[in-house]
Amino acid sequence: DTEVTQTPKHLVMGMTNKKSLKCEQHMGHRAMYWYKQKAKKPPELMFVYSYEKLSINESVPSRFSPECPNSSLLNLHLHALQPEDSALYLCASSQDLEWGTEAFFGQGTRLTVV
Amino acid sequence: KQEVTQIPAALSVPEGENLVLNCSFTDSAIYNLQWFRQDPGKGLTSLLLIQSSQREQTSGRLNASLDKSSGRSTLYIAASQPGDSATYLCAVTTDKLIFGTGTRLQVFP
Repeated sequence: DTEVTQTPKHLVMGMTNKKSLKCEQHMGHRAMYWYKQKAKKPPELMFVYSYEKLSINESVPSRFSPECPNSSLLNLHLHALQPEDSALYLCASSQDLEWGTEAFFGQGTRLTVV
Repeated sequence: KQEVTQIPAALSVPEGENLVLNCSFTDSAIYNLQWFRQDPGKGLTSLLLIQSSQREQTSGRLNASLDKSSGRSTLYIAASQPGDSATYLCAVTTDKLIFGTGTRLQVFP
């Protein structure tokens, strides 16, 4: 099983709302990632967690707050977003941060901020 | 700073053709290179992973090569089919996974 599951698939939220994106994997991977992808652009790294600890934050605005409650789950909490934050948010996992390992991606959450 | 470029940006071909997609990167100090496929509005599907010590990987009609010293990788698709239509992304791993600019492929019947 090489599946990374993201929920919800689609989300529409207002600029004053608080919402969360969820990512789950059961491959025993210890590294998990959030990426943001705008239309017709490649994915851009936001956060990396390694063994449930935040390893990389690519200078992401504080209105995005990641959380890794256990080794299988990764959340992205959203608050006071802007319309320009509308994008496809992708979660990925890999065995660990030994960078020779293969990364697997979920199907993404399509976020629209109105 | 690692930069990853893919050529061509878009490609439209008739069914049955053999294709070559190109990926180039500026810093040869990579751990591995992965090729992904992305259908419109969907996530990424891993196609092939080449470790930095390897030269080539094959999966079905796909063959990927890596020349780390020259900063190049190619993805060869044999006997293309309409179902191959998608965006193909290469990504190199240094201290993070950095994606190329992508090649949008359309295979028409």
